Amino acid sequence: IAGITQAPTSQILAAGRRMTLRCTQDMRHNAMYWYRQDLGLGLRLIHYSNTAGTTGKGEVPDGYSVSRANTDDFPLTLASAVPSQTSVYFCASSGGGGTYNEQFFGPGTRLTVL
Amino acid sequence: AQKITQTQPGMFVQEKEAVTLDCTYDTSDQSYGLFWYKQPSSGEMIFLIYQGSYDEQNATEGRYSLNFQKARKSANLVISASQLGDSAMYFCAMRENDYKLSFGAGTTVTVRA
Repeated sequence: IAGITQAPTSQILAAGRRMTLRCTQDMRHNAMYWYRQDLGLGLRLIHYSNTAGTTGKGEVPDGYSVSRANTDDFPLTLASAVPSQTSVYFCASSGGGGTYNEQFFGPGTRLTVL
Repeated sequence: AQKITQTQPGMFVQEKEAVTLDCTYDTSDQSYGLFWYKQPSSGEMIFLIYQGSYDEQNATEGRYSLNFQKARKSANLVISASQLGDSAMYFCAMRENDYKLSFGAGTTVTVRA
């Protein structure tokens, strides 16, 4: 079934640990995104990639890094997790250019940093 | 400045009635797109409806319609004949000419039987 998968589904992490959230899509979409969702704040963009090999910073990039080695995968890494990074993380993808392209979302990863 | 504003944190609606969710946006681009997503308690994000800035007609998708007032920069979602399954969080979002979506804080809708 075409779509976006994220792993893990949930994770509890000790502060200071390194963590990589995985995201894979099989729709051959050019653009991919990482958002975090916090109560009362909606979804905020962390990083994005318009095409394989390129990445860009979103609204809240500090403490996070991404890579886009190929079209399908877009991992998000927390180099040294802090409690304020406790959130639900969504990966999304879209077909590319044009304001009309909807974004398809993965099921989310619930991350707790203690 | 906030690009998307949803002023209603929560709303109650009686089953079978219509409900309007407010959304205002801020952009200087001429070309942009407006989206509404639904997030039920299970957590997934479900795309509902899209309106392009150059579209002259209001978008409709089944029981969902978008009341687009460009001069007022508003893109309100109307859900007609509410059902219990419509209880969820609803997000308004805008896409400008840079691929990225800006989301509002969301509105929680609770449908009462």
